[in-house]
Order: sequence, then structure tokens, then C-alpha cells
Amino acid sequence: QVTLRESGPALVKPTQTLTLTCTFSGFSLSTDEVCVSWIRQPPGKALEWLALIDWDDDKYYSASLRTRLTISKDTSKNLVVLTMTNMDPVDTATYYCARTSRDTGDGFDVWGQGTMVTVSS
Amino acid sequence: SYEVTQPPSVSVSPGQTARITCSGDTLPKQYTYWYQQKPGQAPVLLIYKDSERLSGIPERFSGSSSGTTVTLTISGVQAEDEADYYCQSADSDDTYSVFGGGTKLTVL
Repeated sequence: QVTLRESGPALVKPTQTLTLTCTFSGFSLSTDEVCVSWIRQPPGKALEWLALIDWDDDKYYSASLRTRLTISKDTSKNLVVLTMTNMDPVDTATYYCARTSRDTGDGFDVWGQGTMVTVSS
Repeated sequence: SYEVTQPPSVSVSPGQTARITCSGDTLPKQYTYWYQQKPGQAPVLLIYKDSERLSGIPERFSGSSSGTTVTLTISGVQAEDEADYYCQSADSDDTYSVFGGGTKLTVL
């Protein structure tokens, strides 16, 4: 069974750096064409893709947030980490990690439950 | 930055057919994916690569593509289909993903 779970702080202050961890099971991030992405959703708003890391350790970022994001993986521990610097109240959102695989192309076939992050002083 | 566009809302009566569109310049060259999201839940992938239905998704959900517009069709809409629906695609260089603004489906 494939599962992903996000973890991280529920509250961060403006200007701080957010670090989120996606811990997964049931698949390996060293398998060809497997990727993990981070996606967020502000309350009542649309989904926004943030970043992707693939099986070959290539990384891709949202053009609008590129300068603030870093994605990394630890294949041996089955986890992916996202850091976002200089947090602002507009970054308040539920943050999801999700998998893509060869079977479904760029489609996110399995999602974590999401973790809500509030940015407030 | 690249965008794909969805109508904010669609309303249908039970048993009718709902069509939700997604438009974007690169859609003829890039696959589109469709998700259903119910309140308080993570999105669920329904359709991948324009028209392939994920295993376990009811047959009433289907996808099609024509030019710069991709359509999610829900035939015989049921009350449980009331949800937000998102399309997702990629830019022309395949370097990043993009989601549409979402469509709220209301079952009257």
C-alpha cells in the first residue's frame, strides 16, 4: 500500500523558514520515473504546485517561488524535505506531498493527508 | 507564467451530464489530469493522460481532448459527485506543473 504523510510545524512566524517532511512507504524514490511533489492550497483557494524531485535527483520548482524553495530527498529513509524561506501570511495553506509514477505520467496518483501551516506573528 | 483556465462553477441536476472544461495553449501538446476534491479531503486523481480513467474510478467519469480544450464529463451525475474539480497540466518545456483554478460542481 502506497502512503505519504506530511509533517512540520503548524505555526510559523513571518520571515521564518518553513521545513516540511514527507515520509512515504510502499514505493521507492529510486525507481525509474517515480517523483514526489509538494503542492499547497490556501484556505478556500485553488491548488498550487510548488516543487518536484525525481528518481534521478533532478529538481523542478514553481517559477514564482523558485528563489524561496529547496527540495531534497533521502532515499534510504523514504523521505522528501521541502524548505521555504521568508514565510509570509499569504503562505498560509495546507501543504500536500504527492507521488507521480510511470503508470500515470505527470498525474499525482497518491496524496498525503496534508498539513496545515499558518503564518502569523 | 503558464496558466490553464476552468469555469468557476457548473450546476446540474441528478442524472444529467456535467461537462467541465480546461483550456490552455499547451494542452494540444501536454497531457491533462483531473482531480476531485471534497471538503476537508486531499484531491483524488480521476483521469490521467487526458482520457485514461484510474482504476477504481466509476465509469461515469471520462475525459476528452480537442485542441486547446480538455473536458471532464460526468455522465449520470450523482449527489456524491458534488465537489471541486481541478485540471492539471504542464508548461511547454515540461519543467513545471500547473493547476487550474478549480470548478465547483453543484448537484441541484
